[in-house]
This record gives sequence, C-alpha cells and structure tokens, in this order.
Amino acid sequence: ETGVTQTPRHLVMGMTNKKSLKCEQHLGHNAMYWYKQSAKKPLELMFVYSLEERVENNSVPSRFSPECPNSSHLFLHLHTLQPEDSALYLCASSHSGLAGERGSYNEQFFGPGTRLTVL
Amino acid sequence: AQSVTQLGSHVSVSEGALVLLRCNYSSSVPPYLFWYVQYPNQGLQLLLKYTTGATLVKGINGFEAEFKKSETSFHLTKPSAHMSDAAEYFCAVSERGAQKLVFGQGTRLTINP
Repeated sequence: ETGVTQTPRHLVMGMTNKKSLKCEQHLGHNAMYWYKQSAKKPLELMFVYSLEERVENNSVPSRFSPECPNSSHLFLHLHTLQPEDSALYLCASSHSGLAGERGSYNEQFFGPGTRLTVL
Repeated sequence: AQSVTQLGSHVSVSEGALVLLRCNYSSSVPPYLFWYVQYPNQGLQLLLKYTTGATLVKGINGFEAEFKKSETSFHLTKPSAHMSDAAEYFCAVSERGAQKLVFGQGTRLTINP
C-alpha cells in the first residue's frame, strides 16, 4: 500500500450504532488530519494530530472521537450520530516541521475518503 | 486569520478552451499556496504548489498557476481544456510554520463537448 488509505470506503449506520473510521499513511509523515466534506459546504477541518498529540479540535461534537495511536494510524470513532453527519470524511497527512525546514510546507496528502450515511 | 476566496463556485468551458480558475487570499506575508483537484467520490490530489522561487509554477495534467503578491492571487490556468479535467478544484493556503491549510470553497469545473 502506498500513500494514504481509508477504510471503509462506504458506511451506512443507524443513529444508535457505534462505528469507527480508519486511516493509515505510508509516507513517513508526523501529522494527520480529519476533514468533513458535506454537499455544498466548504471543507471543514475537524481534528489535527501532530506527533501523535491532538493540536486542534474545531468545536466538533463529542459524538466524534478521534484516536491517534501512532504516527501512521488515525481513527475516528462514531457514536449516536445524526442524519446531518452524513458526509464524505477525508483523512490527510503531512510532514510537520519548523518553518523553512525541508518538507515543512504543510503539503497535505489525502486519502480517498469514507462516504458516511446516517439513517 | 487567513482566508481564501475562489471566485465562481461553478465554471463551464468548452473542450479545447482556456481554463481559468481564480483564487485570492488574505495574508500579510507571502504564504505557501496550493491547488488541489477532487474527482467524484475521491480524495483531494495535489495539482501544484508555490513555496518559494519562481512565481509561475507548473503542475500535473498541464495546469499552471502564477503567484502575484501585489494582487494576493494564485489563479489556476490550463491552455486547452480536456473532458477529463471536469472535477472540483480547491485553492488552499498555509502560513509559514502553521499547522494547517485553509481551503477555499471550491470551484466545480464542467467541460462542454
């Protein structure tokens, strides 16, 4: 596997279910991101992990719970979701470093996304 | 705070015609600038980026963009559109040393035969 992979690619769940989205990067990066992409809305940054520590949480409801066990893996745990949470969830990774350091342009590499439908 | 504006949420051109997608940003210092493309039901793919040096940057699939500091713009162009260029295009900026990208709202490009 190369690049950034996400599983599953499609997920249908009821509002009472608990599920998890998985992201894995094979690029040697040290920062990972979750984005939500809804129809007719801009890309929304949800969470940022740098060196396995959460550095940003953009007022995301607690029914979304991220987990970053190591620099290659990122999870998004879902529980008691609402129909309005239906969207494409994108994972990305980048090299996070000091300004000017080689590769520290924050160029992000994206996975193919998980299309989530909440019934 | 950084912001990115993409003029036109939907652009339609004929096959073989010039493609011009506009992007303006707000920043007091030159940021890093990116264009991404997203095909249906896929993730975002980097088309090109500006970091330092030459202000005209070339990317994949025949696209290029020019960083104009005086206009705070980073417009994306392609001389001759192809049907396979139909997709959503996102402009993004990153402040030097910042942890995240700020994305524009996207422009959907349609190619007419």
